[in-house]
Amino acid sequence: QITLKESGPTLVKPTQTLTLTCTFSGFSLSTSGVGVDWIRQTPGKALEWLALIYWNDDKYYSPSLKSRLTITKDTSKNQVVLTMTNMDPVDTATYYCSHRLTGGSGNAYWGQGTLVTVSS
Amino acid sequence: EIVLTQSPATLSLSPGERATLSCRASQNINNYLAWYQQKPGQAPRLLIYDASNRATGIPARFSGSGSGTDFTLTISSLEPEDFAVFYCQQRSNWITFGQGTRLEIK
Repeated sequence: QITLKESGPTLVKPTQTLTLTCTFSGFSLSTSGVGVDWIRQTPGKALEWLALIYWNDDKYYSPSLKSRLTITKDTSKNQVVLTMTNMDPVDTATYYCSHRLTGGSGNAYWGQGTLVTVSS
Repeated sequence: EIVLTQSPATLSLSPGERATLSCRASQNINNYLAWYQQKPGQAPRLLIYDASNRATGIPARFSGSGSGTDFTLTISSLEPEDFAVFYCQQRSNWITFGQGTRLEIK
């Protein structure tokens, strides 16, 4: 059974750096073909893809946010970490991590999401 | 960036009726399109991947079609639990989502 869970601060101040952790079970990020995405959803409900890391440590970032994002994995801890610098109130959103496989079978497993509010 | 435009924004139907949701891409995405359903307070749920493949455990009343720039999600006979917001997602060029279609009970 695959599960994922996001954790991190619920409130950050403008200009601060956000660090979110995705802790998962039921799969390994050392298995060929496996990846983890970060996706966020604004209060207005728009979904935005942020970043992706694969089992082989290939990393991909949203072109519009690339300069602010870093994604890493700790295979031994079954964790993926996303950092986003220079947070702004427009970054207020629910942040999800999600399992995926190469070959395009979609994001079948998602965490419950974590709401991050950016406010002074 | 590939823009996905979903229509209609809101669809009002009754249980038992057929629902047809549309997703149009700003350029050719082959069949690299997925559909998700989201209910309040929940994460999105994968329904369809690669335009027409049902995800594991998804009832047969959900079907997807299309290729290139025009795609359709069809729910053949609405059940009460189907009412939610639906999103399309493309993976042809990075990943982007449509703005969603709200399916509400009439």
